[in-house]
Amino acid sequence: KNQVEQSPQSLIILEGKNCTLQCNYTVSPFSNLRWYKQDTGRGPVSLTIMTFSENTKSNGRYTATLDADTKQSSLHITASQLSDSASYICVVSGGVGYIPTFGRGTSLIVHP
Amino acid sequence: EAQVTQNPRYLITVTGKKLTVTCSQNMNHEYMSWYRQDPGLGLRQIYYSMNVEVTDKGDVPEGYKVSRKEKRNFPLILESPSPNQTSLYFCASSPTQTGNYGYTFGSGTRLTVV
Repeated sequence: KNQVEQSPQSLIILEGKNCTLQCNYTVSPFSNLRWYKQDTGRGPVSLTIMTFSENTKSNGRYTATLDADTKQSSLHITASQLSDSASYICVVSGGVGYIPTFGRGTSLIVHP
Repeated sequence: EAQVTQNPRYLITVTGKKLTVTCSQNMNHEYMSWYRQDPGLGLRQIYYSMNVEVTDKGDVPEGYKVSRKEKRNFPLILESPSPNQTSLYFCASSPTQTGNYGYTFGSGTRLTVV
């Protein structure tokens, strides 16, 4: 069964610090991996999308990496801001029908 | 503005009373899908549609129906809602099924069934 595991489940950091969120997956064959940011009660918003041939993708202070061999991805947030407080969701698509498999998310809280 | 519009944002209903949550996108996307989100479980796919008149079950389709008569609209129908369908629902669309261009999500519908 396709699975996406995210860690840590929750994370608290101070404003201005960096952090890294992890995503491990078993989806096969692999099509793409996406990171989304979801503010409380709102719809997820896309941060990065990576296909098999890409191993790094940046979007401002967000940098995602992908290791398709080990089936791992990370999302690095640089110089965190209070507005980064949200849930970060890893989504992997692949297999028959490209049905997406969602991770349960990492809840990030940035304190002043 | 390119967007996915869901209505209503909030809904409280009673067990067994049929309801419809509407979803509309203005981006000419072929692929549309519905998800429910529950605490600790993340997003789970209910139904999806690859194009007009083409729909298929996701991971948790029981108790739900959908239709795709027009490209822009993808309503979610609960024929006889039950309390275990209390959840936060999201509609999403994408240019293609592969997801290589990402999904655009609606703002969500918080449904409470009493």
